[in-house]
Amino acid sequence: DAKTTQPPSMDCAEGRAANLPCNHSTISGNEYVYWYRQIHSQGPQYIIHGLKNNETNEMASLIITEDRKSSTLILPHATLRDTAVYYCIVRVAGVYSSASKIIFGSGTRLSIRP
Amino acid sequence: NAGVTQTPKFQVLKTGQSMTLQCAQDMNHEYMSWYRQDPGMGLRLIHYSVGAGITDQGEVPNGYNVSRSTTEDFPLRLLSAAPSQTSVYFCASSLAGGDTEAFFGQGTRLTVV
Repeated sequence: DAKTTQPPSMDCAEGRAANLPCNHSTISGNEYVYWYRQIHSQGPQYIIHGLKNNETNEMASLIITEDRKSSTLILPHATLRDTAVYYCIVRVAGVYSSASKIIFGSGTRLSIRP
Repeated sequence: NAGVTQTPKFQVLKTGQSMTLQCAQDMNHEYMSWYRQDPGMGLRLIHYSVGAGITDQGEVPNGYNVSRSTTEDFPLRLLSAAPSQTSVYFCASSLAGGDTEAFFGQGTRLTVV
């Protein structure tokens, strides 16, 4: 079973910041938080990941709470092309075992309105 | 780099036929996996591998076989196709474990009639 919980859908106005929450209350100390998105029926696309510090790249920012039980993906200036399903995933670091498998949940369907 | 390459992109099978979906990566990734995605649903893990010669079952392994004889290739075999296996199949690869992104292929759309 997926170890994350996300709202099934959200919407955001174009040009505004989109804030997508994720709950991962059972996360272990050696598990990273990852975000991917899937546009239409394409293969999922990596966005960002982090362990316990906040992270930022050219696509988004990731805010992880201090207790690591939840996180928020921020798309700072949403565009129509950001309309997609966004998946929050936790994954164990650096092991060559079944613990490294990637399990998807249901994700959040983000709609950007003009 | 080609990344993760899946072939074919589209396939129609008759019930009971067998086929192999191909997945190849050129990034020397240890971890590879197969997912299926039914309409309006998320991705479900079928099988995965953490290195050549090592495979394990995911969430929905029944009806599928895999092998990993090389680091580059991870074929998915359907021995006797059923209509319930109509789906879009995605292959992914990454270095094993966290702190590294996974790369996904563009999918194989399979219809079993």
